[in-house]
Amino acid sequence: GQQVMQIPQYQHVQEGEDFTTYCNSSTTLSNIQWYKQRPGGHPVFLIQLVKSGEVKKQKRLTFQFGEAKKNSSLHITATQTTDVGTYFCAGITGAGGTSYGKLTFGQGTILTVHP
Amino acid sequence: ETGVTQTPRHLVMGMTNKKSLKCEQHLGHNAMYWYKQSAKKPLELMFVYNFKEQTENNSVPSRFSPECPNSSHLFLHLHTLQPEDSALYLCASSQEWGTYEQYFGPGTRLTVT
Repeated sequence: GQQVMQIPQYQHVQEGEDFTTYCNSSTTLSNIQWYKQRPGGHPVFLIQLVKSGEVKKQKRLTFQFGEAKKNSSLHITATQTTDVGTYFCAGITGAGGTSYGKLTFGQGTILTVHP
Repeated sequence: ETGVTQTPRHLVMGMTNKKSLKCEQHLGHNAMYWYKQSAKKPLELMFVYNFKEQTENNSVPSRFSPECPNSSHLFLHLHTLQPEDSALYLCASSQEWGTYEQYFGPGTRLTVT
């Protein structure tokens, strides 16, 4: 079946350092979504990427979708303590036409930020 | 906050008990989902209902039984669970099943003793 792998599993940074998490799919994706889950909380949608090579920015967060639509990354510039949490990618395959597609989550990257 | 509520927030049950988890969404969405989140595992999609019709059942054991009486409510009926079923059960909704962003509820923390 389809697999979505995410690395690293854990990342510890000092406040102000940058952070990147990578997502790789075993199959070509239709779309990819990113979610953030704060400790003790629930996943919250951040963004969706659709086009090959797409880059989107949200303040200090930069999201990229690979040219082959099999990988994606989330980069945070100058981390802050409010960035703490688990970042998940979720790949969608098979969407299009009359097909709704199938969503598969990566295992997430747990980010801790030391002040 | 997200428009998706879940009850109860915490549940402890024995292996012979029967209980139900409830989810309600106030967003006017047409798709609802049950996910299982265990430690050190990715979010596992369990069931999907789109316009009240079940469209996904990802090989979930029959001791988990979903029910979707209308597009705003979703239940997960539990019976004869195993200790390995202990996890956070998350409900989510979206405009429709597919490429739409999902809104998650706060989850039910389930412990099976």
